Amino acid sequence: NAGVTQTPKFQVLKTGQSMTLQCAQDMNHEYMSWYRQDPGMGLRLIHYSVGAGITDQGEVPNGYNVSRSTTEDFPLRLLSAAPSQTSVYFCASSYSATAISGNTIYFGEGSWLTVV
Amino acid sequence: AQSVAQPEDQVNVAEGNPLTVKCTYSVSGNPYLFWYVQYPNRGLQFLLKYITGDNLVKGSYGFEAEFNKSQTSFHLKKPSALVSDSALYFCAVRDGDTGFQKLVFGTGTRLLVSP
Repeated sequence: NAGVTQTPKFQVLKTGQSMTLQCAQDMNHEYMSWYRQDPGMGLRLIHYSVGAGITDQGEVPNGYNVSRSTTEDFPLRLLSAAPSQTSVYFCASSYSATAISGNTIYFGEGSWLTVV
Repeated sequence: AQSVAQPEDQVNVAEGNPLTVKCTYSVSGNPYLFWYVQYPNRGLQFLLKYITGDNLVKGSYGFEAEFNKSQTSFHLKKPSALVSDSALYFCAVRDGDTGFQKLVFGTGTRLLVSP
């Protein structure tokens, strides 16, 4: 059981380039999400999905796109990278999408992105 | 709106001593509370959660947390710290009454356990 798998682990981009961070889970989880982690700011929600074909914005969605064509995959696309997007990105998933379920959210190992 | 405060950026404790990492929260409905730990260059690992029931919750690696509704706190504790407990700890909360899974995280507390 691989859990939540993120690729790549490390990436350096030039300003203006685009790229996709991949996230896959093999637990048949309904809910998937992307967070970014910045020093002194904890983790902030970028986008989330409550099922295949359904996505919504989190706290800091600008500059990012997502799609959920399958239950397993939830890629995060940076459209035109900016230095402000230098961060650590975490994908997370949970069995149930509803808050009342009490299900635990599980995280991937992270993707370290530097935009120069 | 939900929010979490971790008032200490860093906590220092000697190995073998008890440790406490503080967390206070604010939600409009019933709080669902979580603690995660992050080791260097790694993802977040789930430690424990409070959904309902006993106010004292036991989790992984000997950690426990006490839910205090009147003080809106959910402090993480361990009776005897290990050097290997040194890591970054995050408290998180979501409103358990409505909506979808959206965890709100604190800014994190770095725990340093000295030999």
